[in-house]
Amino acid sequence: GAVVSQHPSRVICKSGTSVKIECRSLDFQATTMFWYRQFPKKSLMLMATSNEGSKATYEQGVEKDKFLINHASLTLSTLTVTSAHPEDSSFYICSASDLWTSVVDEQFFGPGTRLTVL
Amino acid sequence: KQEVTQIPAALSVPEGENLVLNCSFTDSAIYNLQWFRQDPGKGLTSLLLIQSSQREQTSGRLNASLDKSSGRSTLYIAASQPGDSATYLCAVEETSGSRLTFGEGTQLTVNP
Repeated sequence: GAVVSQHPSRVICKSGTSVKIECRSLDFQATTMFWYRQFPKKSLMLMATSNEGSKATYEQGVEKDKFLINHASLTLSTLTVTSAHPEDSSFYICSASDLWTSVVDEQFFGPGTRLTVL
Repeated sequence: KQEVTQIPAALSVPEGENLVLNCSFTDSAIYNLQWFRQDPGKGLTSLLLIQSSQREQTSGRLNASLDKSSGRSTLYIAASQPGDSATYLCAVEETSGSRLTFGEGTQLTVNP
């Protein structure tokens, strides 16, 4: 199956700093990438949807100025958590799909990034 | 608004047992439904994807069924093994290329 990577897998930062998380599709072109957030023992909550070359669409309640999403190429999307605070500590997971060639619109998930803000 | 519910929230079984995980969704107008596995602290592994026109999919010891009209899906695991211990999530996609709406998962423990 298709492979999606995320980097870094784990990051610890001080409050007030910005953190960038990368999501890459390794063997396919991702026309659409999704960013999810997961709290402990909870399900995944969609934060935003990004299509290559256009602005991301954010879910209600997600601050677009706090969570900057860039999808500049068909294989890379980035999520930047700006001025991170302890409440931003979470597990962030991206997924990617290729709507141009996929028959079933399957989303392929990255391994996740654990963010801890001190 | 689509809501996905999974029952039970947690399940503990002895090795070798066959088991069924349940998933229900409120809006039957879905494009597809996926079952995922998540190990602690890890990402999601796709297990099975059922398109809205299909009734079931099988992969090894796993069988997923879909009854779109009643808003239900089940994941059947045959001859469970300790390595099957994980959280199982179901998710529905309402239209092509749209978001996935996830259930809260069933945490499965298979005891040796």
